[in-house]
Amino acid sequence: GAGVSQSPRYKVAKRGQDVALRCDPISGHVSLFWYQQALGQGPEFLTYFQNEAQLDKSGLPSDRFFAERPEGSVSTLKIQRTQQEDSAVYLCASRWRRDVNEQFFGPGTRLTVL
Amino acid sequence: KQEVTQIPAALSVPEGENLVLNCSFTDSAIYNLQWFRQDPGKGLTSLLLIQSSQREQTSGRLNASLDKSSGRSTLYIAASQPGDSATYLCAVRVGVGSGGSNYKLTFGKGTLLTVNP
Repeated sequence: GAGVSQSPRYKVAKRGQDVALRCDPISGHVSLFWYQQALGQGPEFLTYFQNEAQLDKSGLPSDRFFAERPEGSVSTLKIQRTQQEDSAVYLCASRWRRDVNEQFFGPGTRLTVL
Repeated sequence: KQEVTQIPAALSVPEGENLVLNCSFTDSAIYNLQWFRQDPGKGLTSLLLIQSSQREQTSGRLNASLDKSSGRSTLYIAASQPGDSATYLCAVRVGVGSGGSNYKLTFGKGTLLTVNP
């Protein structure tokens, strides 16, 4: 595709609901990253995939957060039992291969937990 | 733990002015540094990437410098235009290697730039 796409663009959830956020990386990109950006802050790393392997999930804030990329392309970030502090923009980025520097970012999903 | 600080947090200038945005990082053992632009409701657009071995990069009216030993980078914007209004983010990649954590970017909080016509 032309760029990284994410869906939905906006999501409003009631506290306690489960949500699933989707990322479609640029076709052929091996590496995929998820970041969380709270209001007025810079993005913070959540997790990293190389193909289907989740190599780093050190940034996931709690065990309510789960990410997968089963076929090495589309990725889903799932948040269980959402809390108000989960409200943020969730950004996905992809990179062609691990030794290439530039990460290409999607438009993000703005999650609001009421 | 790597920390990235951007100064100022916000900047408002009249059109045509030259301006400098500052970025500092606590751990000088970086692999590269990137400057991004973020428009409201949109993702990040990469502006310039400087490898740790480089001193500066230029693209059009933008020039980014890197002083790795002192942990500083600056983004210089010449002849600013209203269309330059956005949040500018600085990010460092902490290292190189096979470990996943070596590929993540650590971001500053950004500088909100407003260029007034």
